[in-house]
Amino acid sequence: GENVEQHPSTLSVQEGDSAVIKCTYSDSASNYFPWYKQELGKGPQLIIDIRSNVGEKKDQRIAVTLNKTAKHFSLHITETQPEDSAVYFCAASISGYSTLTFGKGTMLLVSP
Amino acid sequence: DVKVTQSSRYLVKRTGEKVFLECVQDMDHENMFWYRQDPGLGLRLIYFSYDVKMKEKGDIPEGYSVSREKKERFSLILESASTNQTSMYLCASSLPLEGLAKNIQYFGAGTRLSVL
Repeated sequence: GENVEQHPSTLSVQEGDSAVIKCTYSDSASNYFPWYKQELGKGPQLIIDIRSNVGEKKDQRIAVTLNKTAKHFSLHITETQPEDSAVYFCAASISGYSTLTFGKGTMLLVSP
Repeated sequence: DVKVTQSSRYLVKRTGEKVFLECVQDMDHENMFWYRQDPGLGLRLIYFSYDVKMKEKGDIPEGYSVSREKKERFSLILESASTNQTSMYLCASSLPLEGLAKNIQYFGAGTRLSVL
């Protein structure tokens, strides 16, 4: 089955800095890659996603890039703010399958 | 907005007890999922269901069972709770994948279960 590796497990940045979280996947049949943000005391919530036919997608301060050849994708957060502090999960999904395979998560701490 | 509600935020149970975790979604989603979340291990799929009375094993089904008698409700059952089942349990729901639909899962806030 699919295996998703996520790095780093923790990331500390100063407010205003950029943060990058990287994931790799194993199954070349995976074609949908969402990112979820989990704030303290809440369930994960989708923040951005990318399909395999797209190399990059942006939404304000967050962007996701995908390299299908290398089987890796990354989340980029620019101008970080304290409210960006949370656990972030990457995931991969194969077309036609309802399940997601999640990475182990990255705890991002943004210090004022 | 999609709402996935888990009946308890915190539960404390004793070893050997039968435990029921309940999840209800209000968006008529066909798919429902149970995950457990442990530090350093991420989200691991226990069971999922794509229709009433249907269930599929996930990655870690041992020690768990599920019940889906109504479309909106998905229950996770620990037949005989053990201390290694102390964890955060998350329920999620999603629409079926049709056409170009995205595989977006909507999560509840979680139930933190302690087994003593």
